[in-house]
Amino acid sequence: EAQVTQNPRYLITVTGKKLTVTCSQNMNHEYMSWYRQDPGLGLRQIYYSMNVEVTDKGDVPEGYKVSRKEKRNFPLILESPSPNQTSLYFCASSLLHGELFFGEGSRLTVL
Amino acid sequence: GENVEQHPSTLSVQEGDSAVIKCTYSDSASNYFPWYKQELGKRPQLIIDIRSNVGEKKDQRIAVTLNKTAKHFSLHITETQPEDSAVYFCAATYTNAGKSTFGDGTTLTVKP
Repeated sequence: EAQVTQNPRYLITVTGKKLTVTCSQNMNHEYMSWYRQDPGLGLRQIYYSMNVEVTDKGDVPEGYKVSRKEKRNFPLILESPSPNQTSLYFCASSLLHGELFFGEGSRLTVL
Repeated sequence: GENVEQHPSTLSVQEGDSAVIKCTYSDSASNYFPWYKQELGKRPQLIIDIRSNVGEKKDQRIAVTLNKTAKHFSLHITETQPEDSAVYFCAATYTNAGKSTFGDGTTLTVKP
């Protein structure tokens, strides 16, 4: 089954404790991207990658890191989480010029 | 960078009526305009998209129109049904650069 898998789905952590949200796709898509969704603010792009070893900042990259060492994986790293990073995070993938396929989302709470 | 404005933020219609959601964008380089539907607690899913070389596209009860000169595009849903109730997001993408900018979303409620 074609899918984008994110883990963990839910996480409560404390300020400053490094965490990684994993994202994996099995559709051989070149493009992968991370978004955060906050009430009334839609989906805001954090980072994206158009291919292996190629990553670029989206609109809200501060406080986040990503890497793309393999085509299928695109982890999101929060080196020192803060309460303003409490949000619902979506990973998505696509062929270079097409429809985004979203993961199920990861709800993160930073205390 | 790109800026996408979406209106209205909430829309309530009676079952069977039509619903229209409008988006404007600022970057003339944007060339791909998808619409996503997000049901409560679920992930966004594509319902229709349009590219900059096309003015209109239709898929059963759903249609999208694009006016490149005015930099706006609209989603039209006819004969609305309760299962159309969801949040709808528009987006503007410059596919060569990879950046996608989403509107803030429209919460559509279809009353039976």
